[in-house]
Amino acid sequence: GAGVSQTPSNKVTEKGKYVELRCDPISGHTALYWYRQSLGQGPEFLIYFQGTGAADDSGLPNDRFFAVRPEGSVSTLKIQRTERGDSAVYLCASSLQGQMNTEAFFGQGTRLTVV
Amino acid sequence: GDSVTQMEGPVTLSEEAFLTINCTYTATGYPSLFWYVQYPGEGLQLLLKATKADDKGSNKGFEATYRKETTSFHLEKGSVQVSDSAVYFCALSSNNAGNMLTFGGGTRLMVKP
Repeated sequence: GAGVSQTPSNKVTEKGKYVELRCDPISGHTALYWYRQSLGQGPEFLIYFQGTGAADDSGLPNDRFFAVRPEGSVSTLKIQRTERGDSAVYLCASSLQGQMNTEAFFGQGTRLTVV
Repeated sequence: GDSVTQMEGPVTLSEEAFLTINCTYTATGYPSLFWYVQYPGEGLQLLLKATKADDKGSNKGFEATYRKETTSFHLEKGSVQVSDSAVYFCALSSNNAGNMLTFGGGTRLMVKP
């Protein structure tokens, strides 16, 4: 596709359940980022992949959150034992190299609601 | 750590009015600065950027100048249109591996005809 694609666009889950959020980056982009945007706030960095490896996961809030990118393209953000405080829009972005001044392109996000 | 502070909204203007959205930052080193825009129902889009002090980023009539002495990157437009109604985010990227972005809280702009 032409842009970053995220699925599903909306996800409602019950507290305590496990969820997976998918990101399809722009073809050829080696850098991939996950951000979380709570209502009325700016996006907050979660994790950055360069190729298949997580180069920086310092933004993950706790060990319930995990992300993978096994083939260096599609990434999945996994949240275990969801809590109501996990409700937010989860944004994925990709860029060509992940270096300074390289533009990051964002998907439309997955809105996660934990009830 | 790095942080970005921008004026709270909503900002409501009439069409053709002058726009300023203030943004200040705290960062180590020499960050790159960005304005992103989120139109209703769409994803974040890069509006403009500046990579070093005194650089001016511009796009679609919007401008912002990287002011190191005041650690600011205020967004301006001389004459806004209804189609500019959106949420605007100021962001920075420090000179670190990965080019991760630190965002401000966003400012909603509403332009009335």
